[in-house]
Amino acid sequence: GESVGLHLPTLSVQEGDNSIINCAYSNSASDYFIWYKQESGKGPQFIIDIRSNMDKRQGQRVTVLLNKTVKHLSLQIAATQPGDSAVYFCAERPGGYQKVTFGIGTKLQVIP
Amino acid sequence: GAGVSQSPRYKVAKRGQDVALRCDPISGHVSLFWYQQALGQGPEFLTYFQNEAQLDKSGLPSDRFFAERPEGSVSTLKIQRTQQEDSAVYLCASSLGRAVNTEAFFGQGTRLTVV
Repeated sequence: GESVGLHLPTLSVQEGDNSIINCAYSNSASDYFIWYKQESGKGPQFIIDIRSNMDKRQGQRVTVLLNKTVKHLSLQIAATQPGDSAVYFCAERPGGYQKVTFGIGTKLQVIP
Repeated sequence: GAGVSQSPRYKVAKRGQDVALRCDPISGHVSLFWYQQALGQGPEFLTYFQNEAQLDKSGLPSDRFFAERPEGSVSTLKIQRTQQEDSAVYLCASSLGRAVNTEAFFGQGTRLTVV
């Protein structure tokens, strides 16, 4: 079947553990950031977003942290489940633009 | 259905053929985006529509790529004289509003293989 995970960095975690996926972004003008989850054969699915005037935002089982000083984003998934297995992309939008730039994805493998 | 629908799901084209890829966005969504995703890579922006107006086409790789959304709903991405490097998944996304932080919903994509 199709795979979006070829040659991507891979993170393997035990079911029930917490996962942390990191991302470095490039554009200091970006003021809006998004994490997407992409399962094989599907389009990206929105997980959580954060604006540049925040440094942390929490959702259901997920937390995004933003460090603008070093241009770094992270996605924390609590109590990782097999259904969380997918490729995760961070994305950024420069202020005033609709265009979203995706980063290099990370493949998350959950070990049952 | 309630989601973004793309057709065909798979397309095989001989090099040099023209192809047309269709996107049906979520009803009422103002913004529509096309992305190209090569195998093992992240999606790359191609073009953006707000209603029927194409406001950004900076990501279209060559003049062989053309997109339209004549009535502000369905959009078509056309690729003329396809080449092997055009092989990729073409993703369409739509969002309700114009605001930067409006969530975009993606379709499943059309996988184009040029042989």
